[in-house]
This record gives sequence, C-alpha cells and structure tokens, in this order.
Amino acid sequence: GAVVSQHPSWVICKSGTSVKIECRSLDFQATTMFWYRQFPKQSLMLMATSNEGSKATYEQGVEKDKFLINHASLTLSTLTVTSAHPEDSSFYICSAPRDRATEAFFGQGTRLTVV
Amino acid sequence: KQEVTQIPAALSVPEGENLVLNCSFTDSAIYNLQWFRQDPGKGLTSLLLIQSSQREQTSGRLNASLDKSSGRSTLYIAASQPGDSATYLCAAMANQAGTALIFGKGTTLSVSS
Repeated sequence: GAVVSQHPSWVICKSGTSVKIECRSLDFQATTMFWYRQFPKQSLMLMATSNEGSKATYEQGVEKDKFLINHASLTLSTLTVTSAHPEDSSFYICSAPRDRATEAFFGQGTRLTVV
Repeated sequence: KQEVTQIPAALSVPEGENLVLNCSFTDSAIYNLQWFRQDPGKGLTSLLLIQSSQREQTSGRLNASLDKSSGRSTLYIAASQPGDSATYLCAAMANQAGTALIFGKGTTLSVSS
C-alpha cells in the first residue's frame, strides 16, 4: 500500500486564491520531503526540499514567497500556492525517503488547475 | 549538474515485441537509479530500483541494467502488451542516500493490439 499520501488529488481554483496541498508519510517519519512540479509533456522538476523544523530550501527560479512550504511535523509537509495564477496550473507531487532508505516513495500527485 | 536524458521520446510497437528504453546521465557518481511508470494524468509507479553497486534488476517482464562508467541505463520490456502503454521515466539519485531525484523527460510507449 501507499507509504506517502498526498491530498487533494485534484483541485480547481480561481485566479488569485491560495491552495494548500498536503503530503503525509503514513508509517514512517520523514525529516525531509521533496516537492516536484510537472508541466504538460515535461518531466518532473524539483521545486524545493522541505525540512522538518527548519526552512525549506528552494531550487533556482522557484519563488519562495509564492510557494510556501511548512514541515511542522515528522509526518506532514504542506505546499501552499499563494495568489495562484493560470501559469501555476501544473501537476505537483511530493516524495519522502524512509529512514534514509534508498528508494524514493511518492505521493499520488495533485493536479492544480487555476481558472 | 546532473542531467538525465531519455531516448526515444516516443515509441510505438505492436503487441508482443521486445523493446528497450534508454536513459543516460552525465554524472556517474549516482547513489541509485530508479525507473517509474506514469499513466496519463496519474502519479508515479515505481518499477525497478538499481543500486550503484548493482548491474541489473528484474521484475517479471521488466529488466533494468545500469552501467555507471558509461552513464547509461536501459529498461528492457519483454513481450509487450497494450497495458504497458504509458510514459516511462528514469531518475537518478545523487551520490548520497535520501536526496532528491533528477528525472529524464520520459519515453512515451504505445503498444498496439
């Protein structure tokens, strides 16, 4: 079964509103989680690394004030897309390594559509 | 900076054919390499994980190989079926456990019946 759960699986929102996406590790603690974004017909690109109890680290070109990441517990990281615009429409997916195990476990992904 | 490339970008084959998907990476100092399947509009399904010390992994009709020195990995699919139609992604983990993956753009496979 799934070891990383992501919610919601899809969301449609109006331009200018904010959307929160949750990523949970189900049966293990994750001090680190990763957030990726995938535009149509493109590959997954790392957006940011979420660190429990400290600030997230963002990849070059990703606006930290627009994509707020909170990793308040060892099993939950949230990504909030603030003041969403149509160009933010994309597939967002999280990943968490389990006990520094080598296999990467992914959530189900969230399809965000901003209208 | 690690870059992962997959060729071909798309592939169409008749049912029953054996096929090979290619993945190359620029930095041979990887911790592992993972192959995923992604159906349209869906998330990722992990297919095979190859550790840097391994040469290949097999699961059913799938076989993945890894040649770190040449920076290449292949995914071999035997006796392809229409249900194999999907996008196949390879991803490399940098030379440290628990780091983020670098993905290729994928190969979109279509198997006709």
